[in-house]
Amino acid sequence: EAGVAQSPRYKIIEKRQSVAFWCNPISGHATLYWYQQILGQGPKLLIQFQNNGVVDDSQLPKDRFSAERLKGVDSTLKIQPAKLEDSAVYLCASIPWGGGTDTQYFGPGTRLTVL
Amino acid sequence: SQQGEEDPQALSIQEGENATMNCSYKTSINNLQWYRQNSGRGLVHLILIRSNEREKHSGRLRVTLDTSKKSSSLLITASRAADTASYFCATTRSASGSARQLTFGSGTQLTVLP
Repeated sequence: EAGVAQSPRYKIIEKRQSVAFWCNPISGHATLYWYQQILGQGPKLLIQFQNNGVVDDSQLPKDRFSAERLKGVDSTLKIQPAKLEDSAVYLCASIPWGGGTDTQYFGPGTRLTVL
Repeated sequence: SQQGEEDPQALSIQEGENATMNCSYKTSINNLQWYRQNSGRGLVHLILIRSNEREKHSGRLRVTLDTSKKSSSLLITASRAADTASYFCATTRSASGSARQLTFGSGTQLTVLP
């Protein structure tokens, strides 16, 4: 079974520019998570989707971050405009429908550098 | 804020030695998991221990959980150079949806020297 796919793997932008990340979860996985991982820290949850609905976006900085999962499959995370402190790895993870397991499957991440 | 705090932050050992990492958390949990992250890669699930379990084994891994002390430890026996990675504990709390969320600790960077 194919794993969680993310693209691009690396992105370098100037501050105040916009950027978008894409995630395709494992087939059949209804729950999708986006995390931000700053260097030297553990991942921090940004947003959780169940199918195409948002379950929890309480930690998403909504003034500059947005995310969508229109058809309940793949998802995009956007930052506009980017700040220096947004430099981090953005991880996508998924689990099967209905939970029943707390084990999450992670993609390789997108490393963002904001100059 | 992050739920778990790991200790030590960094650990360097010789191949063949055992590595022990500790995790402390603050609130009650449903279960606790350990993940591994190789440099520049995503996280890989290693083992899950439920709140009513005290010890669990998987291959060279041994996890203990002490809910009275809100702490867990991960032991890797007979370490190999390939075990070099960052190790994170993650606790599960209930969310408003049907799927739970993970709250990660700050991680332990393990280096196994050949």
